[in-house]
Amino acid sequence: DTGVSQDPRHKITKRGQNVTFRCDPISEHNRLYWYRQTLGQGPEFLTYFQNEAQLEKSRLLSDRFSAERPKGSFSTLEIQRTEQGDSAMYLCASSLDRGFATNEKLFFGSGTQLSVL
Amino acid sequence: ILNVEQSPQSLHVQEGDSTNFTCSFPSSNFYALHWYRWETAKSPEALFVMTLNGDEKKKGRISATLNTKEGYSYLYIKGSQPEDSATYLCALIDRGSTLGRLYFGRGTQLTVWP
Repeated sequence: DTGVSQDPRHKITKRGQNVTFRCDPISEHNRLYWYRQTLGQGPEFLTYFQNEAQLEKSRLLSDRFSAERPKGSFSTLEIQRTEQGDSAMYLCASSLDRGFATNEKLFFGSGTQLSVL
Repeated sequence: ILNVEQSPQSLHVQEGDSTNFTCSFPSSNFYALHWYRWETAKSPEALFVMTLNGDEKKKGRISATLNTKEGYSYLYIKGSQPEDSATYLCALIDRGSTLGRLYFGRGTQLTVWP
């Protein structure tokens, strides 16, 4: 079990640029989540996948945000035309749905810290 | 949207002190309550998942209780150590939302001084 890995750890970009983050979940986990944390707040839900299907998207996920999990393994989160308000820690998590989804804890990555200048 | 409140926002204690934090929520209409510990520069780590009123969980010096009728959960740390310094996050899965969506509080930042 190598844990959830995220890349890059840090990203500094200029306003208007596109950025893409990658998340590799724990290999046998079928659920994958993206959360975002801004300063002074708890993590906020962005979206989640069951295998390759994107089952829910938050209203926080504007048209500039897109997430994919093409083969039900790794996932990417892309932000187009970044804005300063996008500066945040982007967290990825995964879990294993064994049919008792309410009891399953999430395994988080270390996050990608995005700074938009 | 489920409003999850945590208190205090921050806490400073001496090594050896016992401490506790509160997570409060407005409704018992949820699937599960999670506690996570998040150390600086590391990943949030799950401590407990609780689902039933009266649930009590323990992991070493850390324990948690859940009272769904009155809408709160307590996290206790007995004999705090410097390595317990972290942000402790509480989160709920609401029955009204998808099972994938956790609603997090803002966390309690604990600093344990040697």
